[in-house]
Formats: sequence, structure tokens, C-alpha cells
Amino acid sequence: DSGVTQTPKHLITATGQRVTLRCSPRSGDLSVYWYQQSLDQGLQFLIQYYNGEERAKGNILERFSAQQFPDLHSELNLSSLELGDSALYFCASSPQGSSGNTIYFGEGSWLTVV
Amino acid sequence: AQSVTQLGSHVSVSEGALVLLRCNYSSSVPPYLFWYVQYPNQGLQLLLKYTSAATLVKGINGFEAEFKKSETSFHLTKPSAHMSDAAEYFCAVSEVDSSYKLIFGSGTRLLVRP
Repeated sequence: DSGVTQTPKHLITATGQRVTLRCSPRSGDLSVYWYQQSLDQGLQFLIQYYNGEERAKGNILERFSAQQFPDLHSELNLSSLELGDSALYFCASSPQGSSGNTIYFGEGSWLTVV
Repeated sequence: AQSVTQLGSHVSVSEGALVLLRCNYSSSVPPYLFWYVQYPNQGLQLLLKYTSAATLVKGINGFEAEFKKSETSFHLTKPSAHMSDAAEYFCAVSEVDSSYKLIFGSGTRLLVRP
């Protein structure tokens, strides 16, 4: 158990819909990362928050957004969903987002768009 | 930009045989390197990491990796494969910007034959 908690574990939704994925980082970790894992793209970095502020943005679509709340939990919002958005979405956390810090991953949220 | 290349999307070994999973990196500065394992339907678990303290890094489950600067490599080895080692293995390098996010290789699926 990494200590990173993600909900829901599985989600099936229709095209055009909107979903919210939730993440609780390890206790005390200030930095939260979101990754997308798909068969054709592999593990892609989406976005990072550090202590409530966006720190880095990767290959995140404009239809997707995220935020980190004062209690440090984070949400990833996916809207106008398309079939190609079906993937495993990981949340990860690290203590201070410093070089060499271990990044701990949650179990992921499986999203299926039908 | 940092990057890693994993040679071989699939590696098959017999139980008891040596496991060798290859990873080469590209980095503009001394890198921080990681190996993660993903068991079926699970999240990413850290096997080991290199942070310049020692070139031979020992990890969990009998795995180790050797950092070779001259070869820009960080190959993962285990002397004797076990059936429970069957999983996907990812090599990653820490980004050098303020995010310190992980840049992942494409992964290598390890198959262990009885």
C-alpha cells in the first residue's frame, strides 16, 4: 500500500459526459501528479500541483482540468469525454516535489468511455 | 529534455534464469533514475532508485540495477527469476525542471516460463 488513495477504482461512462477522479496523497506529501496510462501512449504526465498551486503541465487536453484543495487532496476533471479518453489514470504524490524524491503511485482509476 | 529508452517490449525467461531488463537514459545533468513494477491490475510500485550515492543499487524482491555513466545505462537485473516476477517494468528519469516529474520509458513486460 503506497498510501495514495484514488477513487473510483473503475468508472464506465458515455461519450460526451463529465467525470471527476479523486486522489488523496500520502500524509504530509505536498506534491501531487496525475498521469494517464493507455496502450498506445504509455505513461503520460498530465499535470502537477504543489501545495495547492499548479506547478507543471504536460500533455493535458483542454477538456481536462485539475485542482488541489487546501487539505491537499486533488481532483482531475474530464469533460466532453471521447472514446479515446478510456485509460488508466494514476495519481501520485511526493513529499516536496524535489529532485530525487520518490514519487508514490496510487492504484489508479480505470475509465471506460462507451 | 530527459528521456529513457527501454529495449524490448517483452522479455521471456525461464524460472530460475537471470533477468535482464535494459534501460538507457538521456540527460543533460547527472540523473535520478528509477525502476517501477506494475503487477496486473495494480498501480506502480517502486523497485529501486539511483540518486548518485552508489552505482549499484539494490531494490526490493532481489532486484538490483547498475548505473553506468559511460554507457548511459541503468539496466535492471535479478539472478534468478520467480513466477511472481511476471509483471511490467518501467524505467524512469526525474525531470530537471521544478516539477521533478518522472519521464517513463515504454515499459518491458516480463514473462516467466515454468
